Amino acid sequence: AQSVTQPDIHITVSEGASLELRCNYSYGATPYLFWYVQSPGQGLQLLLKYFSGDTLVQGIKGFEAEFKRSQSSFNLRKPSVHWSDAAEYFCAVARELYSSASKIIFGSGTRLSIRP
Amino acid sequence: EAGVTQFPSHSVIEKGQTVTLRCDPISGHDNLYWYRRVMGKEIKFLLHFVKESKQDESGMPNNRFLAERTGGTYSTLKVQPAELEDSGVYFCASSRTQRETQYFGPGTRLLVL
Repeated sequence: AQSVTQPDIHITVSEGASLELRCNYSYGATPYLFWYVQSPGQGLQLLLKYFSGDTLVQGIKGFEAEFKRSQSSFNLRKPSVHWSDAAEYFCAVARELYSSASKIIFGSGTRLSIRP
Repeated sequence: EAGVTQFPSHSVIEKGQTVTLRCDPISGHDNLYWYRRVMGKEIKFLLHFVKESKQDESGMPNNRFLAERTGGTYSTLKVQPAELEDSGVYFCASSRTQRETQYFGPGTRLLVL
């Protein structure tokens, strides 16, 4: 069965510092991978997605993620965080996008706090 | 273009009562999904509509949950009777096709006392 693991429940970084949020997935074939962010009081917003092609994916708000098949990972990165990046981040996977298997499976989330 | 909207934003009810959550997808989106996040757990898929038909309802926890999408526009999710473990945030998402990005609403925060 598919699964997504986000090993870090809570991370605190200083404003201006670099960020990497870890995500590992379990799936036999190439999955469809996503990162979503939920700011306080807001819904889930898609940061970026990987379907195929270039394994380094650029997203909104200066985020990027790299798909590494050998490590079954899809870590999210940002070179310099801003206070507004404080939120909860969810890594997610979908098995297929052409059928009833398009449902998204989410990791448990990583809460990011920013130190002034 | 308006995003996915959900109503109410918050609901507090007592165990045994009934609650109905509503989701209005983005106009033109045939695919509508319900997810929920119970306290401290991950966000989990509940079901998927394509227009008015249930494509996949494998995530519905039990028969106390009833989802409808009459006319293929908005959807409702009814919980009857509500139990304490139903507390959490219920998200709705929509997409134009199954290949395309799912856009999520802000969620309904349900608290069952």
